[in-house]
Amino acid sequence: DVKVTQSSRYLVKRTGEKVFLECVQDMDHENMFWYRQDPGLGLRLIYFSYDVKMKEKGDIPEGYSVSREKKERFSLILESASTNQTSMYLCASSSPASGRPNEQYFGPGTRLTVT
Amino acid sequence: GDSVTQMEGPVTLSEEAFLTINCTYTATGYPSLFWYVQYPGEGLQLLLKATKADDKGSNKGFEATYRKETTSFHLEKGSVQVSDSAVYFCALSDWNNQGGKLIFGQGTELSVKP
Repeated sequence: DVKVTQSSRYLVKRTGEKVFLECVQDMDHENMFWYRQDPGLGLRLIYFSYDVKMKEKGDIPEGYSVSREKKERFSLILESASTNQTSMYLCASSSPASGRPNEQYFGPGTRLTVT
Repeated sequence: GDSVTQMEGPVTLSEEAFLTINCTYTATGYPSLFWYVQYPGEGLQLLLKATKADDKGSNKGFEATYRKETTSFHLEKGSVQVSDSAVYFCALSDWNNQGGKLIFGQGTELSVKP
C-alpha cells in the first residue's frame, strides 16, 4: 500500500514564526501536492510538484513556499506564520506512470494552530 | 474555471437508511470524477471514480454515475451503517500531460445513528 506520512499530527506555532511541514511518500510517486482544508471550503491546492526541484503554484500560494529536493519528500514552508494560516494541511501524491494519474493518496494531515 | 458543488451538510441518517449526496460540476473538456472519503482523524482516501460519461463507479456498497447531460455525480448507498460516518468529497480532475490536479467540493459530513 502507498504510504504518505506527515511529520506532525498537531502543531502550535506563534505568529511570525517560520514553520516547516514535511511530507514523505514511499511509492516513488512523481507528483506531490499540498492542500489546506477548512470547514465549508473543502480542500484548496496550495502548491504542487511534478518532479524533483519543480514546483507549481496552486490556487492559494500566498504566504507559502515549498521545497522538493528529493523525490519522496515535499516540504511546505510558512515563511512568517499568521493566524489566518490556522488550518488542517494535507499532503498527497500520485503517479502518472501508474496509469491512474488522477488518483491521489493522502497523508493523515497536520492540524496547525497559529496563536 | 472548473468547479464542484456538493449539497451542504451535515447529513444525519439512521442506520439502514438510503443515502444520497448530491454533486454537480462545471468543467471544460471531459474530466474524470471522484468521490473521496475522510474518516475521523484520517486523511482522504479514494472511494470510487468514473472516467467517462455514463460510467458507474462503485465500492463498499456506494455507487455514483457520471451524468454528462446533468453534469452530476451523485453518491448513493442503499443502506448506511454507523461506520459510514465520515466527510465525503466530490472531486474532478484537471488533466494535463503530467498528471491531473483535483478540484474538490466543499465536503459533506455524514453522521449515521444506530
